[in-house]
Amino acid sequence: GAVVSQHPSWVICKSGTSVKIECRSLDFQATTMFWYRQFPKQSLMLMATSNEGSKATYEQGVEKDKFLINHASLTLSTLTVTSAHPEDSSFYICSVPGLANEKLFFGSGTQLSVL
Amino acid sequence: DAKTTQPTSMDCAEGRAANLPCNHSTISGNEYVYWYRQIHSQGPQYIIHGLKNNETNEMASLIITEDRKSSTLILPHATLRDTAVYYCIVRVGNAGNMLTFGGGTRLMVKP
Repeated sequence: GAVVSQHPSWVICKSGTSVKIECRSLDFQATTMFWYRQFPKQSLMLMATSNEGSKATYEQGVEKDKFLINHASLTLSTLTVTSAHPEDSSFYICSVPGLANEKLFFGSGTQLSVL
Repeated sequence: DAKTTQPTSMDCAEGRAANLPCNHSTISGNEYVYWYRQIHSQGPQYIIHGLKNNETNEMASLIITEDRKSSTLILPHATLRDTAVYYCIVRVGNAGNMLTFGGGTRLMVKP
């Protein structure tokens, strides 16, 4: 069964609105979760590391005020794309380390389309 | 993490073995070789990983050369559902760190 639950699977929104994506760890408590972004025909790029109970760590070039991350519990991290624009249209994927941090489990991804 | 080099794309006939190569000549002694795959419009899926010994599970086999500078992922009987992008990633194991994805190999399994 799924280890990571990510919702929604896809979302279409108008430019200027905000979109929230949820990532739930079903089997493990996760003090850390990772958010990736993937543009068409490109590889996954790490956006940020979500830390339970503290601020997220963002990769260079990722705007922290635009991509708000909240990791309020050991099983839930949310990514909010604020004031979305068409260039934010992408496939967003979260991941959770497994036991002993040996491997990462990935959500099914969220396809965001901003009109 | 050490850099990896993979062919951009490969074809394989359905039912035949798919052998996906990966070069990681700068791998360090404490770095593992991981393989993930991503089926279109889905999140990546863990396949297998190893340090220096060959590994096998229900999905695939991983063959690592003795000098650890390259490896091969083997899907013994490829099916159409194995069509995906396969990523070879080298990283320190048990570190809890994120994975850095390269370009991967786009495997097309054909009938």
